[in-house]
Amino acid sequence: NAGVTQTPKFRVLKTGQSMTLLCAQDMNHEYMYWYRQDPGMGLRLIHYSVGEGTTAKGEVPDGYNVSRLKKQNFLLGLESAAPSQTSVYFCATRGEGVGTDTQYFGPGTRLTVL
Amino acid sequence: GENVEQHPSTLSVQEGDSAVIKCTYSDSASNYFPWYKQELGKRPQLIIDIRSNVGEKKDQRIAVTLNKTAKHFSLHITETQPEDSAVYFCAASMRGGATNKLIFGTGTLLAVQP
Repeated sequence: NAGVTQTPKFRVLKTGQSMTLLCAQDMNHEYMYWYRQDPGMGLRLIHYSVGEGTTAKGEVPDGYNVSRLKKQNFLLGLESAAPSQTSVYFCATRGEGVGTDTQYFGPGTRLTVL
Repeated sequence: GENVEQHPSTLSVQEGDSAVIKCTYSDSASNYFPWYKQELGKRPQLIIDIRSNVGEKKDQRIAVTLNKTAKHFSLHITETQPEDSAVYFCAASMRGGATNKLIFGTGTLLAVQP
């Protein structure tokens, strides 16, 4: 099992360009989350999904959109990238039910916006 | 909404000494408190967690304590080793809610000097 994977690992964008980050999981987890990690800021929740076809805003949603068309995939889109979106992006997943509190993180995507 | 504060931001100890990292949370409804370890360039990984019906939990050299009244929880690492060097994040969430969103602290960089 691959667990949680993220594509791409690295990306450099110019201001105004768009891109989509893909999170894929083979753990059959209902919950999926997108975080960004900046120095001194910890991990901040951008958007999340509680199941296929659902999405909701987290702490810092502005400038991002998401989609969860299939249970195993959670896409994070940047329509018009800005330098302030330079960050490391982590996807995480969590199961549903008793004893399933743990969030499992993907390897991260390092994004630089010039 | 929930807010989690974490101290110290950096901690340097000698190999074999103990290390303590402290977090406070604001939402009294929070009932799940995980700790994640993140090595340089890697993904965060769960090392221990505690639920609000328990005051202390131990796993070999790692322990977590929770004071619900004061809304404090702490990570204790005994007999530190160089491989314990990493960034540690605390987090809080409300289990059983619709989303189980985790709110993270800003992280503690632990350096264990050999």
